[in-house]
Amino acid sequence: ELQLVESGGGLVKPGGSLRLSCAASGFTFNSHKMNWVRQAPGKGLEWVASITKTSTYIYYADSVKGRFTISRDNAGDSLYLQMNSLRADDTAVYYCARGSGDDWFDLWGQGTLVSVSS
Amino acid sequence: DIVLTQSPATLSLSPGERATLSCRASQSVSSYLAWYQQKPGQAPRLLIYDTSNRATGIPARFRGSGSGTDFTLTISSLEPEDFAVYYCQQRSSWPPVFGQGTRLE
Repeated sequence: ELQLVESGGGLVKPGGSLRLSCAASGFTFNSHKMNWVRQAPGKGLEWVASITKTSTYIYYADSVKGRFTISRDNAGDSLYLQMNSLRADDTAVYYCARGSGDDWFDLWGQGTLVSVSS
Repeated sequence: DIVLTQSPATLSLSPGERATLSCRASQSVSSYLAWYQQKPGQAPRLLIYDTSNRATGIPARFRGSGSGTDFTLTISSLEPEDFAVYYCQQRSSWPPVFGQGTRLE
């Protein structure tokens, strides 16, 4: 079964750090660009970061550049998001999303909630 | 960045009716537009890509159309499970951007 499962969310204080993980199964992980997309409570979708198949190219939204780091482990079929210097406006459900061959988000995980609050 | 504006914000219809959702881009995105469906408490799901191609398993009642800056998602006859929030997204230029969503109730 095609599946993406996120983990690592939780409550963190402003300025703190958190590392999200996404475990992939049911498809050839190293054949796909991977992405993180977030959704603040009651709000729309916001693309956060992308990483190509062999990690050659990495892209970030301006809102997280310099604070977040996306990485992947193709041997372990896993995607990561290291989040530092967290702010209240980073509070959101973070989704791991697979990129199709044409860069659409064609498979999504169930999401993991990150809450940044003192 | 390209801005995608969806209308209406909320669409109130009944099962069996036809739904027409709009997405307008601030500049041309050619045909590089997708639609996603999100139900409460669930992750988004890709419905339509490249303006008019249905994703795997998406019923034929979902139809996408348009080009350039104006796009439409049409649901020909609403089923109870179609009531959700719908987002458009462009990939014509970086960064990928989503519209703010249309709630179909």
